[in-house]
Amino acid sequence: GESVGLHLPTLSVQEGDNSIINCAYSNSASDYFIWYKQESGKGPQFIIDIRSNMDKRQGQRVTVLLNKTVKHLSLQIAATQPGDSAVYFCAENKSGSGGSNYKLTFGKGTLLTVNP
Amino acid sequence: GAGVSQSPSNKVTEKGKDVELRCDPISGHTALYWYRQSLGQGLEFLIYFQGNSAPDKSGLPSDRFSAERTGGSVSTLTIQRTQQEDSAVYLCASSYNRDLGYTFGSGTRLTVV
Repeated sequence: GESVGLHLPTLSVQEGDNSIINCAYSNSASDYFIWYKQESGKGPQFIIDIRSNMDKRQGQRVTVLLNKTVKHLSLQIAATQPGDSAVYFCAENKSGSGGSNYKLTFGKGTLLTVNP
Repeated sequence: GAGVSQSPSNKVTEKGKDVELRCDPISGHTALYWYRQSLGQGLEFLIYFQGNSAPDKSGLPSDRFSAERTGGSVSTLTIQRTQQEDSAVYLCASSYNRDLGYTFGSGTRLTVV
């Protein structure tokens, strides 16, 4: 069935280091992926997305890499700051005709802790 | 308002009581979603509204759960005869049409005691 999982449930880094958060997905038909950041007591916040016709997309201090061969997604955060401390979720979607192409399937999340 | 607003932010209820959770989406957003987040878990889809179309209720875990969206704007999620396993954070999100980069509210933390 469809599922999205994470390799590391927790990640602790030093301020200024780069962070890499990984995600594995099992539905090879998924063609759209999103990373969300969730701070304590808040709802998930959209960070960056990528479609399956791309293997890399960059934003401000963040980069998402997609490897469709091994069904792996990663989020790279450059020069990690204390404000980056949060739970990070990957989510997948299978668009196209029919089906529920508006639903996102979420992984369980990775807790990122940035030490000053 | 500028974001998705949910109320109450916290709700403690006794087992067996009914609860109503409210969501005010971003003005102009036609799509509205409810998700549930249990402790240490990812988000679980509950229900989806899009304009005047029939909602997708396929994620509702039991017939104790229902939701409505009045006037294409505010939505209410109702849980009848609450059980302890209903304890979770209930998140509402909205988007323009079916844009998947939707905006979440801060959620309602429901605790059933």
